[in-house]
Amino acid sequence: DVKVTQSSRYLVKRTGEKVFLECVQDMDHENMFWYRQDPGLGLRLIYFSYDVKMKEKGDIPEGYSVSREKKERFSLILESASTNQTSMYLCASSFWDTEAFFGQGTRLTVV
Amino acid sequence: AQSVTQLGSHVSVSEGALVLLRCNYSSSVPPYLFWYVQYPNQGLQLLLKYTTGATLVKGINGFEAEFKKSETSFHLTKPSAHMSDAAEYFCAVLLILTGGGNKLTFGTGTQLKVEL
Repeated sequence: DVKVTQSSRYLVKRTGEKVFLECVQDMDHENMFWYRQDPGLGLRLIYFSYDVKMKEKGDIPEGYSVSREKKERFSLILESASTNQTSMYLCASSFWDTEAFFGQGTRLTVV
Repeated sequence: AQSVTQLGSHVSVSEGALVLLRCNYSSSVPPYLFWYVQYPNQGLQLLLKYTTGATLVKGINGFEAEFKKSETSFHLTKPSAHMSDAAEYFCAVLLILTGGGNKLTFGTGTQLKVEL
């Protein structure tokens, strides 16, 4: 089975902190994605990557950055966390033309 | 740019009744389309997908969807709802980028409630 693992299920951080969300996949997928999920807004794409060191902005990249130093790992970085970044964050991976597989999600609360 | 519209943020059906969840898409190229389901406190799970070929696709748990190019729709159906179908359902469209990679865009989701 494909496994996409997010490092934390729940996180609580303070406003202004630098936050790292880690995601690892074990299927040698080229593509990796970060989404945030908010009630009534569905999943919104923050960043995606199709190769090591490659990254593309999604629909809502402001306030976020990403890093992909190894094929299996894709990190989402909140440079200075703000309360409006409180959300559920979902990581996913896929081959170039197939469905995406999702992690369990990280519920981030910024206080 | 591609986009997905799901009509109805909440749908309620009786157990045993037909389930119909609506999805319309826009895409400048032939789309790859997906339906995912999310149970409470879990990640997303693939229900079914359309890439090429047969326009009626069958998925897990008795769900199916029909790709209708003329209507730009990909509605999800199940003939008889079960209590265990209560969940949130997301439609998604995949755009394969010419420069590499792909972009997967989701709708806003439909919460399905199944009543006795």
